Amino acid sequence: AQKITQTQPGMFVQEKEAVTLDCTYDTSDPSYGLFWYKQPSSGEMIFLIYQGSYDQQNATEGRYSLNFQKARKSANLVISASQLGDSAMYFCAMRDLNTNAGKSTFGDGTTLTVKP
Amino acid sequence: DAGVTQSPTHLIKTRGQQVTLRCSPKSGHDTVSWYQQALGQGPQFIFQYYEEEERQRGNFPDRFSGHQFPNYSSELNVNALLLGDSALYLCASSLLGGDEQFFGPGTRLTVL
Repeated sequence: AQKITQTQPGMFVQEKEAVTLDCTYDTSDPSYGLFWYKQPSSGEMIFLIYQGSYDQQNATEGRYSLNFQKARKSANLVISASQLGDSAMYFCAMRDLNTNAGKSTFGDGTTLTVKP
Repeated sequence: DAGVTQSPTHLIKTRGQQVTLRCSPKSGHDTVSWYQQALGQGPQFIFQYYEEEERQRGNFPDRFSGHQFPNYSSELNVNALLLGDSALYLCASSLLGGDEQFFGPGTRLTVL
């Protein structure tokens, strides 16, 4: 069974500073994908960044980067130069890629508040 | 290019009633997954549909059922509603085996 743990219920960051949101995972699957989503108060889940378990380099997408440490089973999200619009709920998720199944397992999320 | 759409946006039902939620996947996607997100929690996988069949199911009772149509759109049906079914229901579409899932805006169901 897969499990995602996000230990930070809430985080605060000053505008224009960087912030790291923690995510650890547990799985016995050899091939898996790790995802981060942003969920504003409107409810829609917005895809941010993806890391495959066999990817050698850490994923980056604009201001988002994923600090992937496979041995530690961690996949932390780093947001650089925070903006007020980054205030939202952030979810880490994983999916087994071998079975081609669509089931994603989510953590309970971290609420990020960006202060002006 | 339209993304994932869901209807209705909000819904209020009473205990014991039945509800149907609808989802249209992103253009070109053939797989639809449904999630339930209770307040303050992460989404929980309900089931996934591909080629009009349920491929995988999460830990949800048989009161939750679904359907996929030939145009890849999907419905989620919940019978005998309980207060605990109140949640945001998210639909996600993807290509079978694809890395990304694109989510719709969700349907917020309130059971009174």
